[in-house]
Amino acid sequence: KAGVTQTPRYLIKTRGQQVTLSCSPISGHRSVSWYQQTPGQGLQFLFEYFSETQRNKGNFPGRFSGRQFSNSRSEMNVSTLELGDSALYLCASSSDGPWQPQHFGDGTRLSIL
Amino acid sequence: AQSVAQPEDQVNVAEGNPLTVKCTYSVSGNPYLFWYVQYPNRGLQFLLKYITGDNLVKGSYGFEAEFNKSQTSFHLKKPSALVSDSALYFCAVRADTGAGSYQLTFGKGTKLSVIP
Repeated sequence: KAGVTQTPRYLIKTRGQQVTLSCSPISGHRSVSWYQQTPGQGLQFLFEYFSETQRNKGNFPGRFSGRQFSNSRSEMNVSTLELGDSALYLCASSSDGPWQPQHFGDGTRLSIL
Repeated sequence: AQSVAQPEDQVNVAEGNPLTVKCTYSVSGNPYLFWYVQYPNRGLQFLLKYITGDNLVKGSYGFEAEFNKSQTSFHLKKPSALVSDSALYFCAVRADTGAGSYQLTFGKGTKLSVIP
């Protein structure tokens, strides 16, 4: 099976712009989660989607949003970018059930200038 | 609120020696526990998990972890470290945060350096 694919791998944006990141999960996985990874804050949960519905949400401002399509592919959008949004954004997919491990993509590294 | 603590930012071990990476957790209810490894510029790779049953779980690449309910710990171990084991290791816990909602919470990570 192909793994989780995230595109693009690298992005450079300026403050105030918006960005959309894409994630294709492992075939058959209906749960997709997004995380932000920074050296200072570590791994922080953004949100989880399951069957096109947001099932869980972390403590991030409304500038961070996401969606999931009927084929389970997911996108994450960040509007009005701030310098502090510079991070590695990771997507993970899993089969349903809290005991199922999440499988991660290699991430999108977003740099804000 | 659930939380995970990895008390050591860095662990150094000589090649061939046993290694331990520590993890403690705090949850309400029964936890599902996971270990992941991250290599530079890569995503996280799943190593092993504890769901229920035997307290010693075995995973990928010769790693194992011991679940201790009384100490709320889930330490990662390997009998003989390899230089290629050098990476960032994350412990994670998942439990019911209310109304059947589960969220995966990660520790801050421990950098393992295996010295040749």
